[in-house]
Amino acid sequence: GAVVSQHPSWVICKSGTSVKIECRSLDFQATTMFWYRQFPKQSLMLMATSNEGSKATYEQGVEKDKFLINHASLTLSTLTVTSAHPEDSSFYICSARGTGGDQPQHFGDGTRLSIL
Amino acid sequence: EDKVVQSPLSLVVHEGDTVTLNCSYEVTNFRSLLWYKQEKKAPTFLFMLTSSGIEKKSGRLSSILDKKELFSILNITATQTGDSAVYLCAGTYVTDKLIFGTGTRLQVFP
Repeated sequence: GAVVSQHPSWVICKSGTSVKIECRSLDFQATTMFWYRQFPKQSLMLMATSNEGSKATYEQGVEKDKFLINHASLTLSTLTVTSAHPEDSSFYICSARGTGGDQPQHFGDGTRLSIL
Repeated sequence: EDKVVQSPLSLVVHEGDTVTLNCSYEVTNFRSLLWYKQEKKAPTFLFMLTSSGIEKKSGRLSSILDKKELFSILNITATQTGDSAVYLCAGTYVTDKLIFGTGTRLQVFP
């Protein structure tokens, strides 16, 4: 149980395009999903917390207009990197947390984004 | 400032060895401590610890939390090459955010 699916796993696109990444909890409902960014050989850096039906909460220094987050249902959150540039190239990972009590975050397999 | 510190940063052992990974934390309104294993992709969940002194065990892996001294350890006995990975420790607080340590890179050689 507790499977989180992230799609796509790898994307390469030209500078200036927008890229959408999907995060789905497959076998549980997730009122809260999280989006992280990870640079090589570094730990995960939280970008934003996404709650179903409300606006995402962004961490300090993360541009909300650049990284659009939508959490339309209890099983789906999306991250759209708008007008992507080479410096946005990174490994993006989502996680989802089940409802009720103390539940751990379960992570998707991540999306490697390369902007040319 | 909240922080999670892991040690050692890296560890190289031979198959069959036992290893202990350390995690100390300073997290305001601390709620729980989690261990994850990260290989080439995203982290996979290992343990969630909320109570002090109660060992959690899964096969050759075990972990315990000391809330008085603010640390946790992850033990791996009879290591195998498949245990090679980065092990991440993270503390959570009331908003359920995770604060990650930098990780311990474990390499197990045959």
